[in-house]
Amino acid sequence: DIQMTQSPSSLSASVGDRVTITCRASQSINSYLNWYQQKPGKAPNLLIYAASTLQSGVPSRFSGGGSGTDFTLTISSLQPEDFATYYCQQSYSSPLTFGGGTKVEIK
Amino acid sequence: QVELQQSGPGLVTPSQTLSLTCAISGDSVSSNSAAWNWIRQSPSRGLEWLGRTYYRSKWIRDYAGSVKSRIIINPDTSKNQFSLQLMSVTPEDTAVYYCVRGQIGDRRYFDYWVQGTLVTVSS
Repeated sequence: DIQMTQSPSSLSASVGDRVTITCRASQSINSYLNWYQQKPGKAPNLLIYAASTLQSGVPSRFSGGGSGTDFTLTISSLQPEDFATYYCQQSYSSPLTFGGGTKVEIK
Repeated sequence: QVELQQSGPGLVTPSQTLSLTCAISGDSVSSNSAAWNWIRQSPSRGLEWLGRTYYRSKWIRDYAGSVKSRIIINPDTSKNQFSLQLMSVTPEDTAVYYCVRGQIGDRRYFDYWVQGTLVTVSS
């Protein structure tokens, strides 16, 4: 199974800050990497797929990068509605696996 | 617009079978571009993909190794839905369960999620 490791597991940031979350795969997954945002009591919501493609309706302050084993999710200017938990997920091979999550909290 | 509606009990007795159904509207369980997944989430295990079914000239079922010996995911084309059966449950199977549409092919991601059902395994 491909293991997905996210860092940090949590971070505190202020509105307007630039935030970067990293995700590392235990083996190369090409660009088959997706990012989701989850708010308390809600299902995860797709933000970015194929490492860098923004899902329709997602604000342009979100961006993704990387390929192979190392990936990033960047929020260019954190907004109040962005405080949530973020997960990466590999879709390269079965079983499909998720990272442990990064909780973004208000400083 | 795709909508998924999940149904099933919120409490299951240990050693029994957990059964959930997911009704699909706005798409077809037999779609050539979609797979129909079950994912669960718990504090101890995080987000865990359990398995999926999809149609490519025949029905394919693909399961996570952690549950492979006790899971069945079945499509029901007459009702445009799919189901989850997880046998011999223990308290470790307590989680929020989601039915989820996945895109497969060149673009692979989970794009429609149901709200989720907390299933508690307890006597």
